[in-house]
Amino acid sequence: DGGITQSPKYLFRKEGQNVTLSCEQNLNHDAMYWYRQDPGQGLRLIYYSQIVNDFQKGDIAEGYSVSREKKESFPLTVTSAQKNPTAFYLCASRKGALTDTQYFGPGTRLTVL
Amino acid sequence: QQQVKQSPQSLIVQKGGISIINCAYENTAFDYFPWYQQFPGKGPALLIAIRPDVSEKKEGRFTISFNKSAKQFSLHIMDSQPGDSATYFCAASRVGTASKLTFGTGTRLQVTL
Repeated sequence: DGGITQSPKYLFRKEGQNVTLSCEQNLNHDAMYWYRQDPGQGLRLIYYSQIVNDFQKGDIAEGYSVSREKKESFPLTVTSAQKNPTAFYLCASRKGALTDTQYFGPGTRLTVL
Repeated sequence: QQQVKQSPQSLIVQKGGISIINCAYENTAFDYFPWYQQFPGKGPALLIAIRPDVSEKKEGRFTISFNKSAKQFSLHIMDSQPGDSATYFCAASRVGTASKLTFGTGTRLQVTL
């Protein structure tokens, strides 16, 4: 099956700890994105990457970091510098420059205890 | 800041009725307007999308109406069904920006029997 997988589905962390969320796609898509979703709010862009070894900050990048060492993988690290990390995190991918459609993964719910 | 304003926040419609969700945008450079459907605990799924060169697009029971001069677009769900109960997000992006999506805040739709 082709698609986007995110793991884990639920993640708990203590304050002060860094945590890495996984995002993998086997769609051969060039671009990948990370969004954050909070209750009653729309999705907000954290980071995005259009090609391997390149990524750009989105609207709310503070306290987050990413890497894009492989085309199919775009992990997100939530660092201890993120003031309010409890949220639903969504990864998305897009085929390439000639298409606009973003396809989303199932999400990871992060809770800081 | 680029914004997309969505209304209503929540909507209750009887089975068989028409659900209407509205969005307004500010940036006239936006040229791609998708609607996403999200069920609880899941990632958003693309429902239907439109570009500014057409005023309406229909796919099954779902129709987007687009008013370029008013900078507004809306989603109409005809013959609404209980299975349509979900949160709906409008979004917008513009060419040359890596297709970064700006999302509305979402509308929670409940279709009653």
